[in-house]
Amino acid sequence: NAGVTQTPKFQVLKTGQSMTLQCAQDMNHEYMSWYRQDPGMGLRLIHYSVGAGITDQGEVPNGYNVSRSTTEDFPLRLLSAAPSQTSVYFCASSYGAGPVGGYTFGSGTRLTVV
Amino acid sequence: KNEVEQSPQNLTAQEGEFITINCSYSVGISALHWLQQHPGGGIVSLFMLSSGKKKHGRLIATINIQEKHSSLHITASHPRDSAVYICAVIPNRDDKIIFGKGTRLHILP
Repeated sequence: NAGVTQTPKFQVLKTGQSMTLQCAQDMNHEYMSWYRQDPGMGLRLIHYSVGAGITDQGEVPNGYNVSRSTTEDFPLRLLSAAPSQTSVYFCASSYGAGPVGGYTFGSGTRLTVV
Repeated sequence: KNEVEQSPQNLTAQEGEFITINCSYSVGISALHWLQQHPGGGIVSLFMLSSGKKKHGRLIATINIQEKHSSLHITASHPRDSAVYICAVIPNRDDKIIFGKGTRLHILP
């Protein structure tokens, strides 16, 4: 089925560990983005990409890295996990960020850092 | 100050009622999105608006660019409409999206 595939669905990390959240889409969307969702805060943009080879920071980029080597994949790397990174993470893609974009979201990753 | 404000934060209504959720924003925008997040956590895009009004089934979304305001209406509400509804805007000349904190809707049978 076409859409955004996000893995894993759940993850527990120890403080200081690193990991990569995977995000892949098969809709040939140019725009991909990562968000975190925390209680009372709503969704916040971490990083985004407007096409292969191009990435930029969102509202809360510290502690996260991204790369976009292909149109399909946009992994999010946690360099050294901290308890403050306990959250639900969503990946999304669209044709564009502006008027042409309708968003498709992945199913989310619930990350706990202990 | 939040750039995107939603009201109400929480809403409980009886099945069949007409529902209105409001979104006000403080920046010039190129587009506004309404999203629905189900109790299980999945997020679905309902509408993208840059002007006027859109309708899909029992859902209607309107936007007034001059007043920086959008509304999401649900007619003949049903318990399956229970979800969090999120407004998000794309500021002019920007690739970033800014979200409201959401409106939690609970429809009682």
